[in-house]
Amino acid sequence: DVKVTQSSRYLVKRTGEKVFLECVQDMDHENMFWYRQDPGLGLRLIYFSYDVKMKEKGDIPEGYSVSREKKERFSLILESASTNQTSMYLCASRLSDGYSNQPQHFGDGTRLSIL
Amino acid sequence: AQKITQTQPGMFVQEKEAVTLDCTYDTSDPSYGLFWYKQPSSGEMIFLIYQGSYDQQNATEGRYSLNFQKARKSANLVISASQLGDSAMYFCAMREVTNSGYALNFGKGTSLLVTP
Repeated sequence: DVKVTQSSRYLVKRTGEKVFLECVQDMDHENMFWYRQDPGLGLRLIYFSYDVKMKEKGDIPEGYSVSREKKERFSLILESASTNQTSMYLCASRLSDGYSNQPQHFGDGTRLSIL
Repeated sequence: AQKITQTQPGMFVQEKEAVTLDCTYDTSDPSYGLFWYKQPSSGEMIFLIYQGSYDQQNATEGRYSLNFQKARKSANLVISASQLGDSAMYFCAMREVTNSGYALNFGKGTSLLVTP
C-alpha cells in the first residue's frame, strides 16, 4: 500500500512565522501535490511537483513556496504566516507511468492554525 | 471558472438503500478522467473509483459504480446497499493535463449521512 506521511496532524503557529509542512511518500512516485481544504470550497491546488527539483504553481500559490530536493519528500513553506492561511493542508503523491488512470494518494492532512 | 459541480451539499440515505451523488463537469479536452474520493471525519482522502473519457463501460468497484453520461457531462457516483461507515464527504475530481503532469480539479463535495 502507498503510504503518504505528513509530519504533523495539528499545528499552531503565530502570524509572521515561517512555517514548514513536510510530506514523505514511500512508493517512489514522481508526482507530488499540496492542497488546502476549506469548508465550502473543496480542495484547491497550491503547488505540485512532477519530479525532483521541478515544481509548478497551482491555483492559489500566493504566500506559499515549495521544495523538492529528494524524490520522496515535498515540503510546503509559508514564508510569513497569516491568519487567512489557517486551513487543512493535504499532501498527495501519484505514480507517473504514462497511464492517466493513476489516482493521487493522500496523507492524513495537517490542520494548521495561525494565531 | 468552476469545472466540477456537485450540487448536493448534503444527502441522507437509510442503511441498505442505494444513493446517487451527482457530479457534472466542464471541459473541452476530449481526453480526461474523473475520480471519486471519500473523506471520513478523520480527514484522510480515500480513492474510490475512476472513469476515463474513452472508457466504453461505466466503472464499477464493489458497491461503487459510476453512471457516466458523456453527452450530459455527468459522472454520478452510485453507492449500493449503503452502510453506516459510508457516512463521509464525497468529492468528484477531474484530471487536467498540464505541460508537466496531471493535476486534479475538485468539486466542493457532498456530505453523505447514512441513517439506521
